[in-house]
Amino acid sequence: EAGVAQSPRYKIIEKRQSVAFWCNPISGHATLYWYQQILGQGPKLLIQFQNNGVVDDSQLPKDRFSAERLKGVDSTLKIQPAKLEDSAVYLCASSLDRAVRAFFGQGTRLTVV
Amino acid sequence: DQQVKQNSPSLSVQEGRISILNCDYTNSMFDYFLWYKKYPAEGPTFLISISSIKDKNEDGRFTVFLNKSAKHLSLHIVPSQPGDSAVYFCAASARRGGGSEKLVFGKGTKLTVNP
Repeated sequence: EAGVAQSPRYKIIEKRQSVAFWCNPISGHATLYWYQQILGQGPKLLIQFQNNGVVDDSQLPKDRFSAERLKGVDSTLKIQPAKLEDSAVYLCASSLDRAVRAFFGQGTRLTVV
Repeated sequence: DQQVKQNSPSLSVQEGRISILNCDYTNSMFDYFLWYKKYPAEGPTFLISISSIKDKNEDGRFTVFLNKSAKHLSLHIVPSQPGDSAVYFCAASARRGGGSEKLVFGKGTKLTVNP
C-alpha cells in the first residue's frame, strides 16, 4: 500500500515570498490533515478535510495560509506571504476514519530566510 | 494552552533496560491516546494506542499504561534496543460534534538507547 506522498521535501524561500506544498493521501482515505511542526514542538493541526469539505481550520492563519482539497483527493497548502516564523516541517496525514489511525507523509521542511 | 504535556525533552537508556516515557493531559474529554515514533527526516509513525476504557495495552516490547484519575499515561519499552532511538510523541484524541475529531500532540521526548 502506497503511503502519503508529499512534495517538495525541502524548500527555502525569502520572507514575503509565496510557497505551496502538495499532498497525495492514501487511496480511499476520506480525511486529510495538514500539521505544522516547529522545531522542538509537537505537530499542530492547521486544517482538517473530510472529503473535500473543511472540518476544522481554527488554527490556520487565514490571512496568509490557504488550503484546498480538489475532488476529495490531493491537497495543496499555500503560504502567501511567508514570515520567518513559518519555518517548520509541514506534515500531511490521512485516515480512513478516526484521526487515531492517521498515516503521515515524510513532510516538507520549509526554511524562510 | 498545552493539553498534552511531555515534560521530559530527552531520555537516555542502556540497551536491554527499560525505557519509560511519560505523558500528562488536561482535557478529560480525551477518549483515545496514542504514541507516535519519529525518526529524523521522516513523518511520525503510529506505535501503539489505548482507549480510555482500558488501563493497559501491550504490543510486543511496547506497553502503554493509562491512569485516568491522574490524567497520566506512560509508554514502557522492554527491552530497549538501539533502533528504538527516536523522538516519541504522545497524542490524545477527542470526538467533536459532527463526528470529526482532533488529534493533539505533546512536544515529544527524544529517546537515546546506548549500546
